[in-house]
Amino acid sequence: AQSVTQPDIHITVSEGASLELRCNYSYGATPYLFWYVQSPGQGLQLLLKYFSGDTLVQGIKGFEAEFKRSQSSFNLRKPSVHWSDAAEYFCAVGVNSGGSYIPTFGRGTSLIVHP
Amino acid sequence: DSGVTQTPKHLITATGQRVTLRCSPRSGDLSVYWYQQSLDQGLQFLIQYYNGEERAKGNILERFSAQQFPDLHSELNLSSLELGDSALYFCASSSRTIADTQYFGPGTRLTVL
Repeated sequence: AQSVTQPDIHITVSEGASLELRCNYSYGATPYLFWYVQSPGQGLQLLLKYFSGDTLVQGIKGFEAEFKRSQSSFNLRKPSVHWSDAAEYFCAVGVNSGGSYIPTFGRGTSLIVHP
Repeated sequence: DSGVTQTPKHLITATGQRVTLRCSPRSGDLSVYWYQQSLDQGLQFLIQYYNGEERAKGNILERFSAQQFPDLHSELNLSSLELGDSALYFCASSSRTIADTQYFGPGTRLTVL
């Protein structure tokens, strides 16, 4: 079965600093990979997704992620963090099975932004 | 606003009871997904419906069931509720397939006392 590990429960950065959130997955083939953001009291919003092709994926709000097959990783990056980026971030892997899929989420990384 | 609506926003009930959560997908979306988010289990996929038919099933308990109606809204039924069922329940919708973005509703917070 597939699994997702987000090794950092909390990350604290200063506003304007760069950010990298780590995500490692376990799956035998190339999975579908996603990053979502959840603000307090809100549902999840998709930041970006990778299915195939270019391993560097651009998303919304200035985020990008890089798929590295050799490391089974899909880390999320942003060059300059804004205070409004403070939220919970979830990495997810989706395994296609007969046209449908079962997504598996990591436990999330809470991003704290200091002024 | 994602365009996905969920009712009710909050629900407080007692153990052993049954509740129904409702989800209206974005206009035109055929797929509906249900998720449970709790401190213990994190965010877990429960079930997916596509155009009225069950498409994929995740970690959904036998006490839970769902359906998607002809107008594409969906209901998640939770019965014989236990304390551990207290969680946030999210609905998401997408156009058709895995390649399409899922749009999440604001969730229903269920508290079982």
